[in-house]
Amino acid sequence: EAQVTQNPRYLITVTGKKLTVTCSQNMNHEYMSWYRQDPGLGLRQIYYSMNVEATDKGDVPEGYKVSRKEKRNFPLILESPSPNQTSLYFCASSPRVLGSPLHFGNGTRLTVT
Amino acid sequence: EDQVTQSPEALRLQEGESSSLNCSYTVSGLRGLFWYRQDPGKGPEFLFTLYSAGEEKEKERLKATLTKKESFLHITAPKPEDSATYLCAVQARDTGGFKTIFGAGTRLFVKA
Repeated sequence: EAQVTQNPRYLITVTGKKLTVTCSQNMNHEYMSWYRQDPGLGLRQIYYSMNVEATDKGDVPEGYKVSRKEKRNFPLILESPSPNQTSLYFCASSPRVLGSPLHFGNGTRLTVT
Repeated sequence: EDQVTQSPEALRLQEGESSSLNCSYTVSGLRGLFWYRQDPGKGPEFLFTLYSAGEEKEKERLKATLTKKESFLHITAPKPEDSATYLCAVQARDTGGFKTIFGAGTRLFVKA
């Protein structure tokens, strides 16, 4: 089944404790992206990648890191999480940057206390 | 500033009561407008892509239309299973490339 898989689905952590949210897609998509979703603000892009070893900042990149060493994987790293990073996170992929709809994972709900 | 605004924020309908959701946008260099459906606890699921003014797409009880400034998602004779949040996203030209901007969504409740 074609899908984007995120793990974990739920994560509760404390301020400053490094964490990684994994994302993997099995559709051989070139483009991958991370979003955060907050009430009333919609989906905001954190980072994106147009291909292996090519990553770039989205609209809200502060406090996040990503890497794209393989085409299928695009992990999101929070080196020192803070409470304002409490949110619902989505990974998405598409065959190309322009004109293609995004395929989303089922989300990771992160709480930082 | 590029912006995507969806209205209303929430819409409550009786089963069978047709209505429309609005997505208005102010961007330069539109490259596509996307509609997604999001159920609680899940990621958004793709519904339609529209590329140019005048274009229409249909799927079951849903019909999406596009003008130069806005898009409508028409829901005909909705059923309770149509209850979800509907998201609009616009892909447009940006400095050095392109970007996708999402609206905040419309939460639709359909009562039997």
